Amino acid sequence: QVQLQESGPGLVKPSQTLSLTCTVSGDSIRSGDYYWSWIRQPPGKGLEWIGYIYYSGSTYYNPSLKSRVTISVDTSKNQFSLKLSSVTAADTAVYYCAKGGYYFDYWGQGTLVTVSS
Amino acid sequence: EIVLTQSPGTLSLSPGERATLSCRASQSVSSSYLAWYQQKPGQAPRLLISGASSRATGIPDRFSGSGSGTDFTLTISRLEPEDFAVYYCQQYGSSPHTFGQGTKVEIK
Repeated sequence: QVQLQESGPGLVKPSQTLSLTCTVSGDSIRSGDYYWSWIRQPPGKGLEWIGYIYYSGSTYYNPSLKSRVTISVDTSKNQFSLKLSSVTAADTAVYYCAKGGYYFDYWGQGTLVTVSS
Repeated sequence: EIVLTQSPGTLSLSPGERATLSCRASQSVSSSYLAWYQQKPGQAPRLLISGASSRATGIPDRFSGSGSGTDFTLTISRLEPEDFAVYYCQQYGSSPHTFGQGTKVEIK
């Protein structure tokens, strides 16, 4: 059974960088069978795909966030990470990591990140 | 960017009734690359359907998806108490992958 778990600070100050890590168990990122994604959901609103990464490190980002997003992978730890720079209150959301680069068949429980001074 | 518009915004039904949810795309979704998800309060979305009509592993057969091009439908044949939730469609035929705004299925 594949499980994903997000971790990272729940509070980030405006203009700083949001950093989250997703730890995968029950599957190996290195297997190369899937892409691995980040998706976010502002409180009470809909879902927004942020981007995905392959085990090789190749990435694809949502153009609306591309200038501020970096997704990286650490296959030795079976983890992948998200960095979002220059955050504002509009980046306050529940951030999910998920298995898949097209549709998403396994999701983490999500972690709320609030941008506030 | 493909915009997905879901209707209705809220659907009020009783257990045992049939639910029909619509998802309309601003451009044709290539190869019917459309998925449906169910989300309950405080939980992550759960994949129900991919490829417009293929049920994900473990999804009951009361859930069915259909459609192509710009018009897609999720049907729940007989609502069970656990089916009351928000449903999202998502297209992955072109980048960026986009989601609809959701349809809430609530108990009447």
